Amino acid sequence: QKEVEQNSGPLSVPEGAIASLNCTYSDRGSQSFFWYRQYSGKSPELIMFIYSNGDKEDGRFTAQLNKASQYVSLLIRDSQPSDSATYLCAVNHKFYFGSGTKLNVKP
Amino acid sequence: GAVVSQHPSRVICKSGTSVKIECRSLDFQATTMFWYRQFPKKSLMLMATSNEGSKATYEQGVEKDKFLINHASLTLSTLTVTSAHPEDSSFYICSARWADSYEQYFGPGTRLTVT
Repeated sequence: QKEVEQNSGPLSVPEGAIASLNCTYSDRGSQSFFWYRQYSGKSPELIMFIYSNGDKEDGRFTAQLNKASQYVSLLIRDSQPSDSATYLCAVNHKFYFGSGTKLNVKP
Repeated sequence: GAVVSQHPSRVICKSGTSVKIECRSLDFQATTMFWYRQFPKKSLMLMATSNEGSKATYEQGVEKDKFLINHASLTLSTLTVTSAHPEDSSFYICSARWADSYEQYFGPGTRLTVT
């Protein structure tokens, strides 16, 4: 299942910085896109979903979708050590997950 | 968000035995449930999609006779790993969604160890 691709990381950012996570997908007909956070040994939890081109903000999180370029990104502002986790991008239709990007936020 | 439970959370079984994992949606009617498998440091791999009252649709490479899925009600789906072998040891996670919704909500997962 290589329909969704993410950089595996790890991505290291200092506390308080902006973390930028990216995801590309191959199915141009995809309509809905999701970001999940997964802590080690736990199941994923939904952070955000986005359906339309542009930005969607929810607290410290902003999802950005560009259907023409087939990518979706997640920005985390004011990163906290508790944000350290693996972030999974998922694309609907068949709900395939990317391999995830491991984020480390250093105090 | 919606609540999905799984039982058991951990199970250890001997090679050749069968194990049943339950997935329940606690506060909504799940018209569709998904079963995933995740090996250490790997992403989730979709195994099958099940709709209430219908046969499950399995992903390519997943043996339907080995991984039996039943979705008998709008709140319960079960995955039975038959004749388990050590290579079946993994983290099995279910998710559920209701009709007309794109969001999936995940259960806490079941860690299966086959000795």
